[in-house]
Formats: sequence, structure tokens, C-alpha cells
Amino acid sequence: DTEVTQTPKHLVMGMTNKKSLKCEQHMGHRAMYWYKQKAKKPPELMFVYSYEKLSINESVPSRFSPECPNSSLLNLHLHALQPEDSALYLCASSPGLSQETQYFGPGTRLLVL
Amino acid sequence: AQSVTQLGSHVSVSEGALVLLRCNYSSSVPPYLFWYVQYPNQGLQLLLKYTSAATLVKGINGFEAEFKKSETSFHLTKPSAHMSDAAEYFCAVSAEGNNRLAFGKGNQVVVIP
Repeated sequence: DTEVTQTPKHLVMGMTNKKSLKCEQHMGHRAMYWYKQKAKKPPELMFVYSYEKLSINESVPSRFSPECPNSSLLNLHLHALQPEDSALYLCASSPGLSQETQYFGPGTRLLVL
Repeated sequence: AQSVTQLGSHVSVSEGALVLLRCNYSSSVPPYLFWYVQYPNQGLQLLLKYTSAATLVKGINGFEAEFKKSETSFHLTKPSAHMSDAAEYFCAVSAEGNNRLAFGKGNQVVVIP
């Protein structure tokens, strides 16, 4: 089973709201990722967790706050977002960090009003 | 730093004709190369992966890619296009050590009946 699940599928939020995106995998992978993808563009890496510790933060604004409660679960907490943050947010996982295949979830389509 | 170049953002192909998507990479170390496909409103799905085991890599849905070190290329082909092949295709290279994926700009494939 190479499935990464993400909830919700769609999210609409105002600029003063607080919301969270959830990602889950049960493949025993020890690395998990958050990407942001704008229309007609490739995904942009936001965060990487390895063994539940933050490994990479690509200078993402603090209104995005990642959390990895356990090896199967990855959250992205959203607060005070801007309309330009509207995008598809993709989660991915891989067995480790040594040039290994990343498996992507279906994404959460976020619209910030 | 590793990078990939995909030329021609939009590729139109007739149903039943050859699909050819070009990818050239830049890497100071032996690269791991990937092709991903993204259908509308979905996440990225792995088509195939090069890991130095064999230069001709077969993937899902009838796609294959050939690694040519002398040309620093990893072009994706499919002998006969099907309507279901209409999607966005991304080439990517993996950096050693942190598994950071560098994506190309993508090719939007349109299949003409």
C-alpha cells in the first residue's frame, strides 16, 4: 500500500481564521514533506520532517506551522493567511532521506478569502 | 546543486502517436531521476524512477525513459498516446543526503482525438 491520505480535500478560510491540514501514511516511512503548488507550476518544498523532527524549513512564513505528532501523521497549522496563500497543498512521504521515492497524497485545495 | 530542464510547456500529440517529453539534468553526482504525472485536481503519481540499476527504465501505463549520461538526458516516451494520458508531467532530480526534489517546470500534455 503506497497511499498517503490528506484531509480535507477542499478548504475555504478567511484571513483571520485558524485551520489545520492533516496528512497520514501507514507505510512505515520516516520522512514526510509539505509542498505548496500554484496552478500550472511545479510543487515547492515547504517543510521536511525526518524521524518526527523538522529537518528542512524553506524559509516559510510563520503563519504556516508544521507539526509531526508521530511517525504516521503530519499536520500543517494555518493562521492569518493571505489570499496569495491559496494553492494546492501536497503532502508526501518517503522511507528515508537517501534519494528515495516520495509518495504524494491527493492534496488539499485551499482558498483564502 | 541539482536541476532539471523541461522544454516546451505544452505538448500536443495525436491519439495513437508517439509521446516524447524531454528532460535534461544537471548534477555533480550520479543522479536519481524521476518522472511524475499529475492528473487534474490530483496529487503527483510516480511514473518511473532511475537509480543507476539500468539505463532503460519501464514505468506504469506503458511509459519508459532512457538515461543517457553523455547527453545528461532522461527523456520520457510512450509509443502510442491514449486520451487518458492527458495530464501534467514533471521530471525531477533528487539531491543526495536530504532527498530534496528539484522539479522541472512541467509539460502539459494534450491528446488530440
